[in-house]
Amino acid sequence: AQSVTQPDIHITVSEGASLELRCNYSYGATPYLFWYVQSPGQGLQLLLKYFSGDTLVQGIKGFEAEFKRSQSSFNLRKPSVHWSDAAEYFCAVGVGGSYIPTFGRGTSLIVHP
Amino acid sequence: GAGVSQSPSNKVTEKGKDVELRCDPISGHTALYWYRQSLGQGLEFLIYFQGNSAPDKSGLPSDRFSAERTGGSVSTLTIQRTQQEDSAVYLCASSLGRQHNEQFFGPGTRLTVL
Repeated sequence: AQSVTQPDIHITVSEGASLELRCNYSYGATPYLFWYVQSPGQGLQLLLKYFSGDTLVQGIKGFEAEFKRSQSSFNLRKPSVHWSDAAEYFCAVGVGGSYIPTFGRGTSLIVHP
Repeated sequence: GAGVSQSPSNKVTEKGKDVELRCDPISGHTALYWYRQSLGQGLEFLIYFQGNSAPDKSGLPSDRFSAERTGGSVSTLTIQRTQQEDSAVYLCASSLGRQHNEQFFGPGTRLTVL
């Protein structure tokens, strides 16, 4: 069975600084990869997804993620964080033959002014 | 267009009572998921509906939990004889149903069992 790990429970950055949130997965083949964001009191919203092709994926709100097969990682990045980016971020993994993705435990992003 | 809606937004109940949580998916979405989100625990899959197929109930934590989806649209998650450990945010999501499509989430129902 697949699994996904988000090693950082909390990340604190200053507004304007760059951001990288880590996501590692465990699965024997190439998985389907997602990043979702959850603002306080809201449901989750898809930021970006990787199914195949170019390993650098662009998403909404200026986010991007890179699939690295050798490291089993799909880290989320943003060059300059805005205060409105403060939220919970979830990485998710889907595999062939299953309709149910597995979600990581989430990383809480705190943005200092 | 309208997104996924859930009701109520908050529910406080006493231990031992039954509760019903409702989800209205996006029109035309054939897949519907229920998740439970506890503090610091990420999303725990509960149940998955796809069209008229039998639901995947593999994530339901006990037989006190059940869900139905009427007419391929609205879904109700029922928790019988609630326990304090059932306190969590219950999220519903819908998708077009093809494998690994984007899921659209509702705002959730926060359940508190006293």
